[in-house]
Amino acid sequence: NAGVTQTPKFRVLKTGQSMTLLCAQDMNHEYMYWYRQDPGMGLRLIHYSVGEGTTAKGEVPDGYNVSRLKKQNFLLGLESAAPSQTSVYFCASSEALMNTEAFFGQGTRLTVV
Amino acid sequence: GESVGLHLPTLSVQEGDNSIINCAYSNSASDYFIWYKQESGKGPQFIIDIRSNMDKRQGQRVTVLLNKTVKHLSLQIAATQPGDSAVYFCAENMGRGYQLIWGAGTKLIIKP
Repeated sequence: NAGVTQTPKFRVLKTGQSMTLLCAQDMNHEYMYWYRQDPGMGLRLIHYSVGEGTTAKGEVPDGYNVSRLKKQNFLLGLESAAPSQTSVYFCASSEALMNTEAFFGQGTRLTVV
Repeated sequence: GESVGLHLPTLSVQEGDNSIINCAYSNSASDYFIWYKQESGKGPQFIIDIRSNMDKRQGQRVTVLLNKTVKHLSLQIAATQPGDSAVYFCAENMGRGYQLIWGAGTKLIIKP
């Protein structure tokens, strides 16, 4: 049982480049989330999904897009990367929305130069 | 600013002693609180949660205390072990559909 798997684990982008982060979960969870974690700060919610085909904005959605075409996958896209998007990105999934234990992936460390 | 914060950014504890990690919150409407542990290079891992209709909840070697009067949350770890070294986050939620608001974290260091 792999849980939540994120790819890639590391990536360096040049300003203006685009990329997609992939999250896959094998727990049949309805709810999935993308967070970013910056030094000295807690996690901040970027976007989330309450089920296949749905997405919703979180606290810091600007500059990111997401898609949930399949229940087990949640993709996070950066259309035009900026240095301010240098961060560690975490995907998570849960059985219920927000008020419950979430299972996290190992993170993607993204550097935008 | 963030409604959830921590009193101590770093806590050093002797192995075998009990650890107490504190968290203050400012939103009196919050009704759900959760603690996560994050080891270096890994994603956060659920420890324990508590709802506002409770003031104490116990897990395996951990206890969470909630004091709504002073808007304070604490995580107690009994008989701290080297594997407890991590950053501990508290988070709050005002109810179903609302987003979790995370604190900045407390780093727990275990002294041999």
